Amino acid sequence: GAVVSQHPSWVICKSGTSVKIECRSLDFQATTMFWYRQFPKQSLMLMATSNEGSKATYEQGVEKDKFLINHASLTLSTLTVTSAHPEDSSFYICSARPGWPSSYEQYFGPGTRLTVT
Amino acid sequence: AQSVTQLGSHVSVSEGALVLLRCNYSSSVPPYLFWYVQYPNQGLQLLLKYTSAATLVKGINGFEAEFKKSETSFHLTKPSAHMSDAAEYFCAVSRNQFYFGTGTSLTVIP
Repeated sequence: GAVVSQHPSWVICKSGTSVKIECRSLDFQATTMFWYRQFPKQSLMLMATSNEGSKATYEQGVEKDKFLINHASLTLSTLTVTSAHPEDSSFYICSARPGWPSSYEQYFGPGTRLTVT
Repeated sequence: AQSVTQLGSHVSVSEGALVLLRCNYSSSVPPYLFWYVQYPNQGLQLLLKYTSAATLVKGINGFEAEFKKSETSFHLTKPSAHMSDAAEYFCAVSRNQFYFGTGTSLTVIP
């Protein structure tokens, strides 16, 4: 149980285009979803927290107009990288937290490798 | 404030030797603690977690960790390293959100 999927797992796009990444909780309802970014050989950096039906809360330094997050249902959150540039190339990981029974645990997706050319 | 410190960004051990990866946390209240492993270009795989039950936690692949409140530590150990253990390891503390350590890259020498 507690499986989180991400789609796509790997994407290449041209500079200036937008890319959407989906994060789905497959067998539980996620009241909260998180988006992380990971640069090579570094730890995960929390980008934003989203609750179903609410606006996402972005961490300091993360451009909310560039990284659009939508958490439209209890099983789906999307991250759209708008007007992508090469510096946006990174590994993006989502996680989902069920409201019950464990509010302290997160289940992580397999990640999406974004390369902007 | 929560924080996690992983001492040693790179650890090398010989195959068959003891693996010890260090993690210290700072938390004003007893935290929930996790160890994850990450292989190249993959997501995080949960190794084990401490949730205020037994202080010695056993995980997958022969790993275990001991929660020591007096030392604010949650070090990860494995008695005998295997080549397949070579990966990046992250310690994390959870309150409302996860706080990750900077990671430790484990190399296993044949």
